Amino acid sequence: AQKITQTQPGMFVQEKEAVTLDCTYDTSDQSYGLFWYKQPSSGEMIFLIYQGSYDEQNATEGRYSLNFQKARKSANLVISASQLGDSAMYFCAMRGLLYNQGGKLIFGQGTELSVKP
Amino acid sequence: DVKVTQSSRYLVKRTGEKVFLECVQDMDHENMFWYRQDPGLGLRLIYFSYDVKMKEKGDIPEGYSVSREKKERFSLILESASTNQTSMYLCASSPLTETGELFFGEGSRLTVL
Repeated sequence: AQKITQTQPGMFVQEKEAVTLDCTYDTSDQSYGLFWYKQPSSGEMIFLIYQGSYDEQNATEGRYSLNFQKARKSANLVISASQLGDSAMYFCAMRGLLYNQGGKLIFGQGTELSVKP
Repeated sequence: DVKVTQSSRYLVKRTGEKVFLECVQDMDHENMFWYRQDPGLGLRLIYFSYDVKMKEKGDIPEGYSVSREKKERFSLILESASTNQTSMYLCASSPLTETGELFFGEGSRLTVL
């Protein structure tokens, strides 16, 4: 069975500083994908970044980077130069990459990030 | 612009009522999903479908059923609503690509009195 754990229910960060949101996972799959989503107060789920288990380099998308440590089974999200608009709930998720797994994502509990001016 | 549309943003129903939540996607995606979101629990998968008329149970299917008669439409049905089904319901779809990220609807907030 797959499991995602986000141990930080809430976090604060000063505007313009970097912040790391923790995510650990558990799976017996050899190939899997890791995702981060952002959910602002409006409720929409916004896809941020993806990391395949076979990727040797950490994924980056603009101010977002995924610190992937396969041996530790961690996939932390790093947001550089925080902005007020980054205040939101953030979810880590994963899925197995076998065709018969149907593409379903398993989500963590979420971390609520608040950016202070 | 790609879109997943959920029929109702807010619903209030009474215990024992039958509830239909509709979801339509315009991206020709094979996979569709229903999640419920509760504070502190994240998103939990109720059902998913990888093809028309095909469905698979997720982690919390009890009290729910689904229907996928057409590729673009995936419906969630609460046969007899109960107060513990008060929640935010999120529909999503995804393509059969290597990344296969989910595209979400805006959510349906259901209150069962």
